[in-house]
Amino acid sequence: RKEVEQDPGPFNVPEGATVAFNCTYSNSASQSFFWYRQDCRKEPKLLMSVYSSGNEDGRFTAQLNRASQYISLLIRDSKLSDSATYLCVVNGLSSYKLIFGSGTRLLVRP
Amino acid sequence: ETGVTQSPTHLIKTRGQQVTLRCSSQSGHNTVSWYQQALGQGPQFIFQYYREEENGRGNFPPRFSGLQFPNYSSELNVNALELDDSALYLCASSPGTGDTEAFFGQGTRLTVV
Repeated sequence: RKEVEQDPGPFNVPEGATVAFNCTYSNSASQSFFWYRQDCRKEPKLLMSVYSSGNEDGRFTAQLNRASQYISLLIRDSKLSDSATYLCVVNGLSSYKLIFGSGTRLLVRP
Repeated sequence: ETGVTQSPTHLIKTRGQQVTLRCSSQSGHNTVSWYQQALGQGPQFIFQYYREEENGRGNFPPRFSGLQFPNYSSELNVNALELDDSALYLCASSPGTGDTEAFFGQGTRLTVV
């Protein structure tokens, strides 16, 4: 079983749609959780950290369920510029390392 | 921009050769981590350097080695290159170890033929 699992997609949605990505992780001791965005052939960039209470940044909402070891990202009112791969990231058994999922690809069409 | 720079941006090597990739960390950051990202996969942790010492290592063979210099810049060396080493190599700097935010450089795309 992979340490961080994501649906690879692609999710193909029209502009203005709401889309949700899910992620599960295997290490119950993980303390830090993130969503990164990666554009084609570019480096990953931090989209948002994920907190136990859930957090929102504009059109983006992240949720964490520790009991189920589940993380989600909701994108409202999708824009063409949201097209990218979204990587779910947790810290590993040794907190110095980040463990990435394989990513979920989002395509937003006009 | 993150302030993390990597060189070169692209590289083609022959199987069996050796390669050195370089990373300049963001000002004020003393921790550098290296990741390998194969096509269609998420980045995989190679190792981390903190104040010139290796601070942790992923599941990579010893032919992957590294260094960190007093100015906190870093090198990744790979010996005896294999075809499967073809990937995007990412350097990430952070202000400390642990779960602090990591800032990635643009990566070095290595192709082994």
